[in-house]
Amino acid sequence: DVKVTQSSRYLVKRTGEKVFLECVQDMDHENMFWYRQDPGLGLRLIYFSYDVKMKEKGDIPEGYSVSREKKERFSLILESASTNQTSMYLCASRPTERLGANVLTFGAGSRLTVL
Amino acid sequence: AQTVTQSQPEMSVQEAETVTLSCTYDTSENNYYLFWYKQPPSRQMILVIRQEAYKQQNATENRFSVNFQKAAKSFSLKISDSQLGDTAMYFCASRRFGNEKLTFGTGTRLTIIP
Repeated sequence: DVKVTQSSRYLVKRTGEKVFLECVQDMDHENMFWYRQDPGLGLRLIYFSYDVKMKEKGDIPEGYSVSREKKERFSLILESASTNQTSMYLCASRPTERLGANVLTFGAGSRLTVL
Repeated sequence: AQTVTQSQPEMSVQEAETVTLSCTYDTSENNYYLFWYKQPPSRQMILVIRQEAYKQQNATENRFSVNFQKAAKSFSLKISDSQLGDTAMYFCASRRFGNEKLTFGTGTRLTIIP
C-alpha cells in the first residue's frame, strides 16, 4: 500500500514562529499536494508539486511556501505563523495521469495551532 | 474554474437504512473525473468511489453507488445498508482531465445511528 507519512500529528506554535510540516511518500509518486482543511470550507489547495524542485501555487498560497528537494519529500513552510493559519493540514500524493491511476492518497494530517 | 457544492452540512440515518449525499459541480470541461472521499473521525481520508465523466454507466463499489447526471452536473452518493463504520465526513471532488488540481466541496458529516 502507498503510504503518505506526515511527521507531526499535532503542533502548537507561537505567532511569528517558523513552522515546517514534513510529508514523505514511499511509492515514487510524481505529484504531491498540500491542502488545508477548515470546518465549513472543505479542503483548499495550498501548493502542489509535479516533480523535484517544481511547484505550483494552489488556491490559497499566501503565507506559505514549499520545498521539494527529493521526490519522496514535500515540505510546507510557514515563514511567520499567524493565528489564522491554525488548521488541519493534509498532504497527499498520486502518480501521473498517464499511468492511469489518478487517485489521491492522503496522509493522516497535521493539526497546527498557532497561539 | 471548477466548483463543487455539497448542500447538506450534516446528515444522520439509522443503521441499515439507505442514505444519499448530494453533490453538484460546475465545469466547462467535457473530460473530467469525479470522486467521493471519506474521512472517518481522527482517521485519514480515503477514496470511496470515482467516476470518469465520459462513462455513462454509474460507478458502484459494494454498498456505495453514484447517480451521475452529466447534463445536470450532479453526482450524488448512495450508501445502502448503512453501517456504523460509515460515520465520517464525506467530500465530493472533481478534477479536470490533464489538470493536477482536485477541487473539493465543503463536506457532509454523516452519522449512522445504532
